Amino acid sequence: DQQVKQNSPSLSVQEGRISILNCDYTNSMFDYFLWYKKYPAEGPTFLISISSIKDKNEDGRFTVFLNKSAKHLSLHIVPSQPGDSAVYFCAASGGGADGLTFGKGTHLIIQP
Amino acid sequence: AAGVIQSPRHLIKEKRETATLKCYPIPRHDTVYWYQQGPGQDPQFLISFYEKMQSDKGSIPDRFSAQQFSDYHSELNMSSLELGDSALYFCASSLRGGDDEQFFGPGTRLTVL
Repeated sequence: DQQVKQNSPSLSVQEGRISILNCDYTNSMFDYFLWYKKYPAEGPTFLISISSIKDKNEDGRFTVFLNKSAKHLSLHIVPSQPGDSAVYFCAASGGGADGLTFGKGTHLIIQP
Repeated sequence: AAGVIQSPRHLIKEKRETATLKCYPIPRHDTVYWYQQGPGQDPQFLISFYEKMQSDKGSIPDRFSAQQFSDYHSELNMSSLELGDSALYFCASSLRGGDDEQFFGPGTRLTVL
């Protein structure tokens, strides 16, 4: 039973445009959400996070939106750059030293 | 900035052998996590330690054990290796009481032949 779902295995976006990656979760006990970027054979790189008490967090080109009632979050990247091409994982946690529950990932491809 | 260090980076073992993976967290981080990522899969949480005590347990097989030492480094011990144990093993660390972001190491690629 996948508690964190990323329904788009891949997404292609033109350079300079906005990339929107979506994530849904089912476990109401999750209260902290993170996005990671990953290249093959490397560890996930932390991008941005959001606590359940917020609905938006922004860091440079990256913005994460959280809709608790819909159990949905999204990552916006604007403007998209060629170096953004990677697999993006959504992850959720119950806090503390809980392990993260990951989605299956979305492969973002930025077209020149 | 110092990152999470994992060793070895690559490991090849035969079936039924044992393996030990090591993780050195970011300095001052007190919490360590282990994840397993199979081919084409998302990382699966195995186990975590806070201040040398087991904190959370995920899908870690009984053949695996782990511990965190007084210098906060951690070791994942894997026995009776099976072909299905071939995967990338990631360690992550965080500072409990901080913002809970987990920072991942580069991973150890374990191949069981």
